[in-house]
Amino acid sequence: DGGITQSPKYLFRKEGQNVTLSCEQNLNHDAMYWYRQDPGQGLRLIYYSQIVNDFQKGDIAEGYSVSREKKESFPLTVTSAQKNPTAFYLCASSILWDSNTEAFFGQGTRLTVV
Amino acid sequence: GENVEQHPSTLSVQEGDSAVIKCTYSDSASNYFPWYKQELGKRPQLIIDIRSNVGEKKDQRIAVTLNKTAKHFSLHITETQPEDSAVYFCADLMTTDSWGKFQFGAGTQVVVTP
Repeated sequence: DGGITQSPKYLFRKEGQNVTLSCEQNLNHDAMYWYRQDPGQGLRLIYYSQIVNDFQKGDIAEGYSVSREKKESFPLTVTSAQKNPTAFYLCASSILWDSNTEAFFGQGTRLTVV
Repeated sequence: GENVEQHPSTLSVQEGDSAVIKCTYSDSASNYFPWYKQELGKRPQLIIDIRSNVGEKKDQRIAVTLNKTAKHFSLHITETQPEDSAVYFCADLMTTDSWGKFQFGAGTQVVVTP
């Protein structure tokens, strides 16, 4: 089923708390990405990574943090500094761009701040 | 800001008619242009893609065209069917020697009415 898994599918968080979203892939992909999906705004890039222990900010990185300690894993932490965290979060992975470059998506995590 | 603009945001077509979605990109470093289909409650999945050295690509009822000079690319769906109803996203892949990232359009909600 695509080989990229996000957990949990639904997540509720109280205001002021940090929360970490999991993303794991067994596709041996070097590149991994985090996107936020809001209605009418498409997929906005939060962070991306090409290699272990290295990552870059995307367009909306403020209030988020990531780590890439293993090739297979790219967890996203939504911090209390994120002003409007309620959204659908999608993780994706791909082979590096000098070959087939299809991005495979996880099934997403819907985060709700209560 | 948004590097990929997508139009229209919604598209309603009669079954059997054609649907066209248009995207523009801004960065000359973009060299790969995929299209994703996202059905309700599911992850985005690649339906067709085109590389910057190709002007047109077709796969059964779907085709993509690319005009590098104008920085436009379009998705064409012919003989639409109800199962074509979904949100479609265009994207581009911007790369340099050391990094690459996918940027997505805002999406087009396509509704095919029987």
